[in-house]
Amino acid sequence: GENVEQHPSTLSVQEGDSAVIKCTYSDSASNYFPWYKQELGKRPQLIIDIRSNVGEKKDQRIAVTLNKTAKHFSLHITETQPEDSAVYFCAAPIPSGSQGNLIFGKGTKLSVKP
Amino acid sequence: DTAVSQTPKYLVTQMGNDKSIKCEQNLGHDTMYWYKQDSKKFLKIMFSYNNKELIINETVPNRFSPKSPDKAHLNLHINSLELGDSAVYFCASSQGGGVQETQYFGPGTRLLVL
Repeated sequence: GENVEQHPSTLSVQEGDSAVIKCTYSDSASNYFPWYKQELGKRPQLIIDIRSNVGEKKDQRIAVTLNKTAKHFSLHITETQPEDSAVYFCAAPIPSGSQGNLIFGKGTKLSVKP
Repeated sequence: DTAVSQTPKYLVTQMGNDKSIKCEQNLGHDTMYWYKQDSKKFLKIMFSYNNKELIINETVPNRFSPKSPDKAHLNLHINSLELGDSAVYFCASSQGGGVQETQYFGPGTRLLVL
């Protein structure tokens, strides 16, 4: 089955710096990779996703890159702001079954210091 | 106009009790999910369900059972609660059952078993 590894588990940056979170997956058939952001005490929310037919996707200050050969994908946040502080989860699909079940990485707690 | 709602928000109960958590979505989505988030913030799929198929994560004890009275609701019933069941439980929904569908999470139910 699918296994998703996420690093680092914690990340502290200065406001304005960039942050990069990396995930690796094991199932070469996986074709969809979302990133969710969870602020303290709140629900996870999708911030960006990428499908296997592209190598990079950007949305303002966030971007995701995908390397299918190496089976890893990364979240990039530029010009970080204090409101970016949260736990970020990567995910990949569980191939078994016909429904959209995801396996999540263990999360990265990002702290942006003003 | 809450998209995915859960009740109760907090639940404190004794070991051995039976409890239910309710989930409702008003998005017209076809598939609903239950996730467990433990104290280390690990987010794990428990069930996914649409009107055709129930998929159960094999690690979920059979004390947990989802019940869906209709397409907009997926309740979680837990029998004989144990200390290790203490966690935050999130309901989620997606438009279809495909793996590339965005999942929308509810606000979570914080369960504490004493």
